[in-house]
Amino acid sequence: GAVVSQHPSWVICKSGTSVKIECRSLDFQATTMFWYRQFPKQSLMLMATSNEGSKATYEQGVEKDKFLINHASLTLSTLTVTSAHPEDSSFYICSASMFKLAGKTETQYFGPGTRLLVL
Amino acid sequence: RKEVEQDPGPFNVPEGATVAFNCTYSNSASQSFFWYRQDCRKEPKLLMSVYSSGNEDGRFTAQLNRASQYISLLIRDSKLSDSATYLCVVTGGSYIPTFGRGTSLIVHP
Repeated sequence: GAVVSQHPSWVICKSGTSVKIECRSLDFQATTMFWYRQFPKQSLMLMATSNEGSKATYEQGVEKDKFLINHASLTLSTLTVTSAHPEDSSFYICSASMFKLAGKTETQYFGPGTRLLVL
Repeated sequence: RKEVEQDPGPFNVPEGATVAFNCTYSNSASQSFFWYRQDCRKEPKLLMSVYSSGNEDGRFTAQLNRASQYISLLIRDSKLSDSATYLCVVTGGSYIPTFGRGTSLIVHP
C-alpha cells in the first residue's frame, strides 16, 4: 500500500514552455501533498505544501506564479512550471502524506520523481 | 543553526561492518522522526519510523534521544546494497517535514 505515482517521469522541453507534472496517491487519500526539487548532489528542497481545496503554501524564495500548484482532490496534485528556463532543470519529486492514528504520525510516501531538462 | 543536521559523509565501510549515523534537530517540539533511504537518481523511500522506545527492523535499529535532540540509525552486517544516502526527517506540530542533507554510505567488498 501507500503508492504514489508521478507523471511524466522525464521531460525535455524548449525554454519558454510550460510543463505540467502530476502526482497521484494510488491507494490512499493523502491529507497533504508536498512538492520538492533536488539539484544534483544536493538535498531535497521543499517548494510548497499543498492541501486539497486550498491554496498551496510556498516556501520562501519559491515563486508561486512560476510554480503553479493545483490540488483538485485528495489523490491528485499538479505542479506546472510556467515558462520554464534552463535553470529550472531539476529533479522534481512529490510526496503524499498519510496520517496514521496509531502513533499519531504523518508518514510521507514519495513519487518516483520527474526529471526536467529545459534546453 | 540548521533545523536538521547530518554528517554528509561519505562513510566508507567494508561489507559486514556495523555503521551508525546521527542526526540532530533544533526544534524541541518536533513530534515525528523518520529515516529515509535515497538511491542515486531515485526518490527517497521510507526506511523506518523512529519511536521514543527505539525500534528495530532486521539489521537496522533506530533510536530517539529527546533530551539531546538527536536520532540515530545503526546498520549491522552491512551489505553492498546498503550503499545509499540516508535522510533524516523530522516533523513538527504542523506535520511539515524537515529533511537533513543526508549521509552518504558506501559499502565496499
